[in-house]
Amino acid sequence: DTGVSQNPRHKITKRGQNVTFRCDPISEHNRLYWYRQTLGQGPEFLTYFQNEAQLEKSRLLSDRFSAERPKGSFSTLEIQRTEQGDSAMYLCASSLVPERTEAFFGQGTRLTVV
Amino acid sequence: GESVGLHLPTLSVQEGDNSIINCAYSNSASDYFIWYKQESGKGPQFIIDIRSNMDKRQGQRVTVLLNKTVKHLSLQIAATQPGDSAVYFCAENGSNNRLAFGKGNQVVVIP
Repeated sequence: DTGVSQNPRHKITKRGQNVTFRCDPISEHNRLYWYRQTLGQGPEFLTYFQNEAQLEKSRLLSDRFSAERPKGSFSTLEIQRTEQGDSAMYLCASSLVPERTEAFFGQGTRLTVV
Repeated sequence: GESVGLHLPTLSVQEGDNSIINCAYSNSASDYFIWYKQESGKGPQFIIDIRSNMDKRQGQRVTVLLNKTVKHLSLQIAATQPGDSAVYFCAENGSNNRLAFGKGNQVVVIP
């Protein structure tokens, strides 16, 4: 399977714990996005990378959130001191710009903070 | 600010009929639009896209129409099948290179 891969698929954590998610984009895709989606809503933009450079961060991304893409391939999203309001589906997408601009999504990581 | 929204929250359609899902956008600078399909528990799946220099694009059983004058986008699904039951999102790509999504439109196909 050469699509976008996210791990884990599900994560249950206690409030106050740190969690880290991983995204492996489609190989050769230079752009990688993180989105968050809550029930009944469309995905909300969090941040994106062009190769290894993090070019934009949403105001939704508080200082408890950090994302990295150290070698311009896979990316990690870490949430520190999780809160119940962090419970959501975290989606990763990748694209190849400027050749093709459609973004392909992974299956997401569903986070539940108890 | 920018917003992308859908007119109808739920569309029920008989199997075999055509479906039309509408979407309004407010950012006139957006130059690229995508329709995604999302099934329960899965990530959004790319269906079809269109650039602002076009007003119509066809794929397999799907057609996207873009009316820049009224900032309106629609997705037409021909001969709707049970597997088309899902939530459909339109997304716009503005000058900031990020996709902005609307709230989604549930399509329910009645066998």
